[in-house]
Amino acid sequence: DSGVTQTPKHLITATGQRVTLRCSPRSGDLSVYWYQQSLDQGLQFLIQYYNGEERAKGNILERFSAQQFPDLHSELNLSSLELGDSALYFCASSLGPQTGRSGNTIYFGEGSWLTVV
Amino acid sequence: GDSVTQMEGPVTLSEEAFLTINCTYTATGYPSLFWYVQYPGEGLQLLLKATKADDKGSNKGFEATYRKETTSFHLEKGSVQVSDSAVYFCALGGGGNKLTFGTGTQLKVEL
Repeated sequence: DSGVTQTPKHLITATGQRVTLRCSPRSGDLSVYWYQQSLDQGLQFLIQYYNGEERAKGNILERFSAQQFPDLHSELNLSSLELGDSALYFCASSLGPQTGRSGNTIYFGEGSWLTVV
Repeated sequence: GDSVTQMEGPVTLSEEAFLTINCTYTATGYPSLFWYVQYPGEGLQLLLKATKADDKGSNKGFEATYRKETTSFHLEKGSVQVSDSAVYFCALGGGGNKLTFGTGTQLKVEL
């Protein structure tokens, strides 16, 4: 158990709908990351928040948005859903704002499976 | 930009066989390197990491050495078990606040 909690674990919804995925980071971690895992794109970084502020942005669509709340939990909002948005969405957390060269370890949750029909 | 290339899977081995999963990277500067493992139906777990050249990361019998001269971070295990069956991801932590992952290599270990 990584300590990162994601809900819901599974979600099925129709095209055009909007969903919200929720993440609670490990206790004490200030950074939250969102990743998308799909068969054709692999693991893609979407966005990072540190202590409530957006820190880095990756391949996140304009239909998607995220935020980190004062209690450090984060939500990823996916709107106008398309079939191609079906994927496993991971939340991850780390202690500090920097990863990369610092070797700061990122801990992943078990993911939220989104199926768009 | 940063990129990671992993060997294609699936890799199928018999129990107690030697494992190598190749990983090479492209990055500017001196990235940190990671191996993550994803067991069926679970999230990504950090397996090991190395933060500078010639460092060796190790965990649960797995090892990988950060080779700057060959830009590689190959994963090895001397004797695999059925319980090692999973998907293994090589990842690079470069200048940005994110990890860049390889495409993953599925390992199947049979009795």
